Amino acid sequence: DIQMTQSPSSLSASVGDRITITCRASQSISTYLNWYQQKPGKAPKLLIFGASSLQSGVPSRFSGSGSWTDFTLTISGLQPEDFATYFCQQSFNVPPTFGQGTSVEIK
Amino acid sequence: EVQLVESGGGLVQPGGSLRLSCAASGFTFSSHWMHWVRQAPGKGLVWVSRIRPDGTTTNHADSVKGRFTISRDNAKNTLYLQMNSLRVEDTAVYYCARDRLNGPTLFDSWGQGTLVAVSS
Repeated sequence: DIQMTQSPSSLSASVGDRITITCRASQSISTYLNWYQQKPGKAPKLLIFGASSLQSGVPSRFSGSGSWTDFTLTISGLQPEDFATYFCQQSFNVPPTFGQGTSVEIK
Repeated sequence: EVQLVESGGGLVQPGGSLRLSCAASGFTFSSHWMHWVRQAPGKGLVWVSRIRPDGTTTNHADSVKGRFTISRDNAKNTLYLQMNSLRVEDTAVYYCARDRLNGPTLFDSWGQGTLVAVSS
């Protein structure tokens, strides 16, 4: 199975900040990388697919980049509703695997 | 509007069984691969099972292989997960998730989840 490792596990930030979350795959996955946002008690929500394509309805302050083994999720201008946990997921092969999550908390 | 509504969770003793259901609406259910993904309390997301649109192919995570069975009834727009020989470590919220229509696996719609608690 492909192992996905996110960093950091948690971060504190203020409204308006620009933050970056990193996801590393244990082997090359081209750009088969997706990002999800999960708020407490809620289901995950797809944000970005194919490493950099924004899902319909997702604000443009979210962006993704990377390829092969190293990927980033950037939120430019953090909003109050963005405080949540973010997961990466590889879709290169089965089983699809997720990173352990990054919790974004209010400073 | 796409809707996925899970049901069937609850408290069960180790070794017991449960069947989860996921009622789908708002899209052509019979066209999509469907998945179960679980999340233990305070933990991350773990893929459990998937099933082909016509139900002819299924895959399961090694941790549940031989104990869990995914199935679907396209006439009823419903996805199922039969869980046997349950273990304490199966305790989690179970989500059903829709795969996009074409391309590599991603989960573009999720249900609200149903909690399965395995405890004596």
